[in-house]
Amino acid sequence: QKEVEQNSGPLSVPEGAIASLNCTYSDRVSQSFFWYRQYSGKSPELIMSIYSNGDKEDGRFTAQLNKASQYVSLLIRDSQPSDSATYLCAVNDAGKSTFGDGTTLTVKP
Amino acid sequence: DAGVIQSPRHEVTEMGQEVTLRCKPISGHNSLFWYRQTMMRGLELLIYFNNNVPIDDSGMPEDRFSAKMPNASFSTLKIQPSEPRDSAVYFCASSPGPRSPLHFGNGTRLTVT
Repeated sequence: QKEVEQNSGPLSVPEGAIASLNCTYSDRVSQSFFWYRQYSGKSPELIMSIYSNGDKEDGRFTAQLNKASQYVSLLIRDSQPSDSATYLCAVNDAGKSTFGDGTTLTVKP
Repeated sequence: DAGVIQSPRHEVTEMGQEVTLRCKPISGHNSLFWYRQTMMRGLELLIYFNNNVPIDDSGMPEDRFSAKMPNASFSTLKIQPSEPRDSAVYFCASSPGPRSPLHFGNGTRLTVT
């Protein structure tokens, strides 16, 4: 079993819809959780960080964390074509971040 | 801040040659990471440093790979000798603390023929 698993893509949603990205992790002592967005040919960039159970909202993005279920998710509301990218879930333990394989999202106009 | 700076952006070399990738982290960040990204294996951590000291190099694939951080503002990743299977994008990232997210450089695309 991989340490960080993301729902297999690709994921395609129409413009204006909600995109839901999921991630599970195996290490119970993980302390911080991040979502990065990576456009094709570019480097990953941070879009959300979450450290405690519950929801965290930032504009159109909401991250959800459930440590008991070892589950973290990212919701993108009112999806735009510019959201089309690969989304990487990262789980951090004592400074070491492990990444999932990513979910590629396509938002169709 | 200029962000994490990597050089070169692209490197094409022949099998057996030595390759050196360079990284300048963000000033004040005390952790530095080297990752490799391929389609098959995703983003893999090779090695990371904290306060210039290597903490975990368990991801370094074999002895052909070595990394150094002689000071807080510079790190190198060396592959000697290089092989075609080393072809990948190599990212350097830095972080200000153990619970903080990573700031990535633009990466070095390495092609070994």
